[in-house]
Amino acid sequence: DQQVKQNSPSLSVQEGRISILNCDYTNSMFDYFLWYKKYPAEGPTFLISISSIKDKNEDGRFTVFLNKSAKHLSLHIVPSQPGDSAVYFCAASGDDKIIFGKGTRLHILP
Amino acid sequence: NAGVTQTPKFQVLKTGQSMTLQCAQDMNHNSMYWYRQDPGMGLRLIYYSASEGTTDKGEVPNGYNVSRLNKREFSLRLESAAPSQTSVYFCATLLIRGSYSNQPQHFGDGTRLSIL
Repeated sequence: DQQVKQNSPSLSVQEGRISILNCDYTNSMFDYFLWYKKYPAEGPTFLISISSIKDKNEDGRFTVFLNKSAKHLSLHIVPSQPGDSAVYFCAASGDDKIIFGKGTRLHILP
Repeated sequence: NAGVTQTPKFQVLKTGQSMTLQCAQDMNHNSMYWYRQDPGMGLRLIYYSASEGTTDKGEVPNGYNVSRLNKREFSLRLESAAPSQTSVYFCATLLIRGSYSNQPQHFGDGTRLSIL
């Protein structure tokens, strides 16, 4: 069973517009959620995280929103830039586990 | 700042051959992890070591063994490689493993392994 789901394998967004990446989870024991960004031929790198006691965390162009009742989080990137083209992994931490989603490939179109 | 170093970066093996993937970190992190990434499958945990001297199975441990040689090094061994083990393997570290794992993992750049 997939405890962390990223239902969109890919997403294309015009440069300058907002990119919204979604993630759903099933385990109520998760207490931190993280987003990682991955470029080809490189390892994932940490982007932003949020505690389960918050509903929003912002860092520059990146904002993560958490809706605990819906077990849903989203990553907003605004404005989107060409360098944002990458694969984004959602991860959930807690209950002595770290579980990754399958990733969403984001294409920023010129 | 090397961070997490994985060797080799690429390897091609024949079915049945053995291979050890090496991972070394210089961040003084306690926990280390081995993941595999396959198309459409995300990152799946093979084995992890919460601290020096301990190792535990992850989601997909079959066909692999690990050794936490010391705090810095965590190796992954394929005793008899199979085509199903063709994948990209990532090593990761975490400062402290625990219920409140709010720290991010740090990843190496991966080892691309092909089994023919």
